[in-house]
Amino acid sequence: GIQVEQSPPDLILQEGANSTLRCNFSDSVNNLQWFHQNPWGQLINLFYIPSGTKQNGRLSATTVATERYSLLYISSSQTTDSGVYFCAVPMNRDDKIIFGKGTRLHILP
Amino acid sequence: DSGVTQTPKHLITATGQRVTLRCSPRSGDLSVYWYQQSLDQGLQFLIQYYNGEERAKGNILERFSAQQFPDLHSELNLSSLELGDSALYFCASSLNRGETETQYFGPGTRLLVL
Repeated sequence: GIQVEQSPPDLILQEGANSTLRCNFSDSVNNLQWFHQNPWGQLINLFYIPSGTKQNGRLSATTVATERYSLLYISSSQTTDSGVYFCAVPMNRDDKIIFGKGTRLHILP
Repeated sequence: DSGVTQTPKHLITATGQRVTLRCSPRSGDLSVYWYQQSLDQGLQFLIQYYNGEERAKGNILERFSAQQFPDLHSELNLSSLELGDSALYFCASSLNRGETETQYFGPGTRLLVL
């Protein structure tokens, strides 16, 4: 089945820094999602991004479907950005959604 | 507050038992999704319902079942519980079928099987 790999697994940054999180996937997909799970466990759907680039405030995401990767950029990090970032892709054939293991981001004040 | 509610927040039960988790979607949302998050399996998609009908099925065990009622709330039934079923169970909702829609997540139900 399709494999989803995220890197780095952990990232510690100072407040104000920029970060890039990567998601690689092993097969062609028709969509890709990024999620954020805050330290209290709440999940938030950040982007649907099958291809191209989208921006939402300090966050942006780019998916290059032909090269099977997506990047999530966080600029001017804030402590509230801490948590785990997951990417997820649907399997084209049977609608299962496969999650990566996540990148745990710690933003230090 | 996402507008999605889940009850109960916490549930402790014994192996072999059966439990029901409940989810109320945001007002107007037709799709409900169930996810399981455990330490060893990570986040897994279980199942999606759209307007009362099953739309997509993920890694849902045969011991688990779900349904969406006419008022659009959903229940996830877990039976013959095993220790490995201990996890955080999330429900999410979206407006329509969901292909390119934002999903709004509830706070989750934390299940502990002893």
